[in-house]
Amino acid sequence: GENVEQHPSTLSVQEGDSAVIKCTYSDSASNYFPWYKQELGKRPQLIIDIRSNVGEKKDQRIAVTLNKTAKHFSLHITETQPEDSAVYFCAASRNFGNEKLTFGTGTRLTIIP
Amino acid sequence: DARVTQTPRHKVTEMGQEVTMRCQPILGHNTVFWYRQTMMQGLELLAYFRNRAPLDDSGMPKDRFSAEMPDATLATLKIQPSEPRDSAVYFCASGFAGGGRPQHFGDGTRLSIL
Repeated sequence: GENVEQHPSTLSVQEGDSAVIKCTYSDSASNYFPWYKQELGKRPQLIIDIRSNVGEKKDQRIAVTLNKTAKHFSLHITETQPEDSAVYFCAASRNFGNEKLTFGTGTRLTIIP
Repeated sequence: DARVTQTPRHKVTEMGQEVTMRCQPILGHNTVFWYRQTMMQGLELLAYFRNRAPLDDSGMPKDRFSAEMPDATLATLKIQPSEPRDSAVYFCASGFAGGGRPQHFGDGTRLSIL
């Protein structure tokens, strides 16, 4: 089955700096890679996703890059703000997200004011 | 804003009791997923359904867990008998297969088995 590894497990950055979280996956048939943000006691919320036919996707301060050959993808947050503090999960799925998500272990991001 | 609805939000019960969690997927979504979140195991899939038919329940302990979709607007996850190790947050998510739409999560059921 799919295995998703996520690094780092914790990350602290100064407000205004950039944050990068990296994930690798094992199943070459995976073709959909979402990122979820989870605040304490809340549900995971989708913040951005990417399909395997695209190398990069950007939405304002958030971007995701995908390297299919190396089987890794990354989340980039620029100009970080205190409200970006949360746990971020990467995930991978076959069939463009129509099948189960296999999640990484999460990254606790803390933005230092 | 369409949302996945889960009930109850919190449940505390004693070991050995039956627990039933309910999920109402977003209207029009045909795929329902049950995930469990713990500190030790993270987010893991228990089971999922498409068009009310079970597709994968390999993550679910079969001896005590059961998942059903009585109709397109209701999914249930039951634990009988419950054990302390079942304490976790259980999330339901729904999506639409064929439309490539992402999975959206409900607010979860926080379950504590004493």
